[in-house]
Amino acid sequence: ETGVTQTPRHLVMGMTNKKSLKCEQHLGHNAMYWYKQSAKKPLELMFVYNFKEQTENNSVPSRFSPECPNSSHLFLHLHTLQPEDSALYLCASSQEEGREKLFFGSGTQLSVL
Amino acid sequence: QQQVKQSPQSLIVQKGGISIINCAYENTAFDYFPWYQQFPGKGPALLIAIRPDVSEKKEGRFTISFNKSAKQFSLHIMDSQPGDSATYFCAPRVVSGSARQLTFGSGTQLTVLP
Repeated sequence: ETGVTQTPRHLVMGMTNKKSLKCEQHLGHNAMYWYKQSAKKPLELMFVYNFKEQTENNSVPSRFSPECPNSSHLFLHLHTLQPEDSALYLCASSQEEGREKLFFGSGTQLSVL
Repeated sequence: QQQVKQSPQSLIVQKGGISIINCAYENTAFDYFPWYQQFPGKGPALLIAIRPDVSEKKEGRFTISFNKSAKQFSLHIMDSQPGDSATYFCAPRVVSGSARQLTFGSGTQLTVLP
């Protein structure tokens, strides 16, 4: 058990839907991350929160909207997505931003129809 | 631009054999060189890592070899087992001012045949 829990594990949504991904970490970490994983491509860093403050937005389209209400919870709000947004979305945490070891959740497999 | 090149994309090894995965980088501002292992349905997990002041680090059957002048580091899995079948990512950490961030390679899918 990694200590990072993501829900739901699978999500199918239409392009006009609004949905949210949830991540919770039980490790006492202060930094949380959203990554996108597409087949045969490197993991793409999307957002970073350090002590609840967003420190990185890696040119992510506005149809992805992150929220970090506290150091243990991270959300990714989705609206009007495109089929090319279908991917595995991974949440990770670390002691602080830039620390060497990331702890990943199992991800949410998203399919946009 | 691609700062990290990982090879091969896929690798098939017989049980008991040696698996070797390579990672070449361009940016000299990397200060930490980890390998992550990902099983199907799971997120990546740190496997082993090395700092640039040493040339080799061994943990059990896993060894990292680091060649600073060639800007390469590799993962060696000795006595490979079917349970090692997974996707492996190099993820060197780049330092830019006060920011530090992992840069993931594209992954190597390892299959160890029984």
